[in-house]
Amino acid sequence: TAGITQAPTSQILAAGRSMTLRCTQDMRHNAMYWYRQDLGLGLRLIHYSNTAGTTGKGEVPDGYSVSRANTDDFPLTLASAVPSQTSVYFCASSVEATWANVLTFGAGSRLTVL
Amino acid sequence: EDQVTQSPEALRLQEGESSSLNCSYTVSGLRGLFWYRQDPGKGPEFLFTLYSAGEEKEKERLKATLTKKESFLHITAPKPEDSATYLCAVQPTSGTYKYIFGTGTRLKVLA
Repeated sequence: TAGITQAPTSQILAAGRSMTLRCTQDMRHNAMYWYRQDLGLGLRLIHYSNTAGTTGKGEVPDGYSVSRANTDDFPLTLASAVPSQTSVYFCASSVEATWANVLTFGAGSRLTVL
Repeated sequence: EDQVTQSPEALRLQEGESSSLNCSYTVSGLRGLFWYRQDPGKGPEFLFTLYSAGEEKEKERLKATLTKKESFLHITAPKPEDSATYLCAVQPTSGTYKYIFGTGTRLKVLA
């Protein structure tokens, strides 16, 4: 089934450790996004990429980095995790980062930082 | 400031009991308003896009409507399988990558 694959599904991480959340899509979408979802706060954009080779900062980028070496992959890295980064992380994609494009989401990665 | 507010936070319905979910928004200009469904432990799944006031979209028991200040998701004769969290999001005209999500309405339909 075409879509977005995220890994790991869940992870417990010690504070100060680094972690990379993986995201792969097979729809040849140009734009990709990383969101975090926290109770009472809704989905918030961390970073985005409108095409391979380019990235940009979203609403809550601090403590996170991304890369977009090719169309399909968009990994999210936490260089030194802190407890406030405990959240559910969703990768999403859209055909283009333009007018009212529909977002397709992955199943999410639940991260707990202790 | 661009903002999206959904109400109620949670809603319990008996099977067959129709109701509406509300999404109020404040944006300088609207590119599109989206409704998504999210099941526990899963990512949001697209339902509808609305672009301009007066527009309506329907899918099975769901109907979405849009005015200049709010959108409603009407659920007619719901079934237990309609139980989920329903998310509203708007894309304002300012900022290509910007989608503002509401916090969602958790719907529980009892058999």
